[in-house]
Amino acid sequence: SAVISQKPSRDICQRGTSLTIQCQVDSQVTMMFWYRQQPGQSLTLIATANQGSEATYESGFVIDKFPISRPNLTFSTLTVSNMSPEDSSIYLCSVGGLAEGTDTQYFGPGTRLTVL
Amino acid sequence: EDQVTQSPEALRLQEGESSSLNCSYTVSGLRGLFWYRQDPGKGPEFLFTLYSAGEEKEKERLKATLTKKESFLHITAPKPEDSATYLCAVASGTYKYIFGTGTRLKVLA
Repeated sequence: SAVISQKPSRDICQRGTSLTIQCQVDSQVTMMFWYRQQPGQSLTLIATANQGSEATYESGFVIDKFPISRPNLTFSTLTVSNMSPEDSSIYLCSVGGLAEGTDTQYFGPGTRLTVL
Repeated sequence: EDQVTQSPEALRLQEGESSSLNCSYTVSGLRGLFWYRQDPGKGPEFLFTLYSAGEEKEKERLKATLTKKESFLHITAPKPEDSATYLCAVASGTYKYIFGTGTRLKVLA
């Protein structure tokens, strides 16, 4: 596996503002993903962060709301833009490609976001 | 439509009382079934990957099994530190995970 860190671990934000979440991995990985986990719900994939190109978004998620960067193989950011209380969730990054021949993903500790 | 259903939603056990968690799935092409443990306020911790019916994997007090329609996570003689939410996910495409809603396990001392 790998050591995955996220910053910040938690934040409380005002509606209409934006927050950028960072995900750092201690080794180079081919695949990085961003998930959302709303209160009491399971995980929903937001997008795949592609190194050197635009992220691939899942249905219901758009780049204007959740811009993603991935400048190299160990780092990615997710921005939650123009936030509303409905964006209050845990945001998780995950990585794949560590275990050759498997689709196993490993998750970071998460960022707990509360929007007032 | 690909789907994952976990049961029960919540489970309370006495310490030492063995039990099983269920993950039923329908997927067009299974590339893998994954079990994770999630503690409150933390990210999911990887437990097991299963690929084909009949496969079994063990780790300490946990044992995961897989059939063509479901997976079981057996917990033998659980301890209070096993209390967590256990998540099941299936991959229907490369890294395309579909998660269940989890089973919240509480083990009482």
